[in-house]
Amino acid sequence: AIRMTQSPSSVSASEGDSVTVTCRASQGVSTNLAWYQEKPGRAPKVLISGVSTLQSGAPSRFRGSGSGTDFALTITYLQSDDFATYYCLQYDSYPWAFGQGTRVEVK
Amino acid sequence: EVQLVESGGGLVQPGRSLRLSCAASGFILDDYAMHWVRQGPGKGLEWVSTLEWNSGSIGYADSVKGRFTISRDIAKNSLYLQMNSLGAEDTALYYCTKGGSTGWYPESWGQGTLVTVSS
Repeated sequence: AIRMTQSPSSVSASEGDSVTVTCRASQGVSTNLAWYQEKPGRAPKVLISGVSTLQSGAPSRFRGSGSGTDFALTITYLQSDDFATYYCLQYDSYPWAFGQGTRVEVK
Repeated sequence: EVQLVESGGGLVQPGRSLRLSCAASGFILDDYAMHWVRQGPGKGLEWVSTLEWNSGSIGYADSVKGRFTISRDIAKNSLYLQMNSLGAEDTALYYCTKGGSTGWYPESWGQGTLVTVSS
């Protein structure tokens, strides 16, 4: 099974900062890597699929990058609406796996 | 508009079974991969199962393999999750999700149905 190691587990930042969350897969996942945003009491929302394809409705300040086993989600110019928990997901091979999550909190 | 409405959750004793349902509207369920994802109390997201769009393949998390069964009823445009031999570790909010148009990743999500396994 492919394991997804996400870091950091939490990060404190201020509005206007840039934040980068990384995800490392225990083996290659091709381009089958997505990023999700989760807020309390709400269903998760997909931000990025296919490593770097921004989903409809997702702000352009979210950027996905990486290849092979190492991936990153970068949020440039953090907005108040971005304080949330973020997860990566590999959907290359079963069993699929989410990363452990990164909580982006107010500094 | 895509809508996914889960039902069937509740309080169940350890070792018992439960069947979750997901009523889909706004799209034809048979045209997309469908998934179940869960989130335990205070925990992260956990992928549970996927039924590929052509029913050619089904995947399960190791934690549920052999106990859970995913299925669908095309006529009812509904997805199901039969859960047997439930344990406390299965306590979670269960989300029904629809695969994307350009990939199988979960794109649209329901609001979830809560399963609590306790005596």
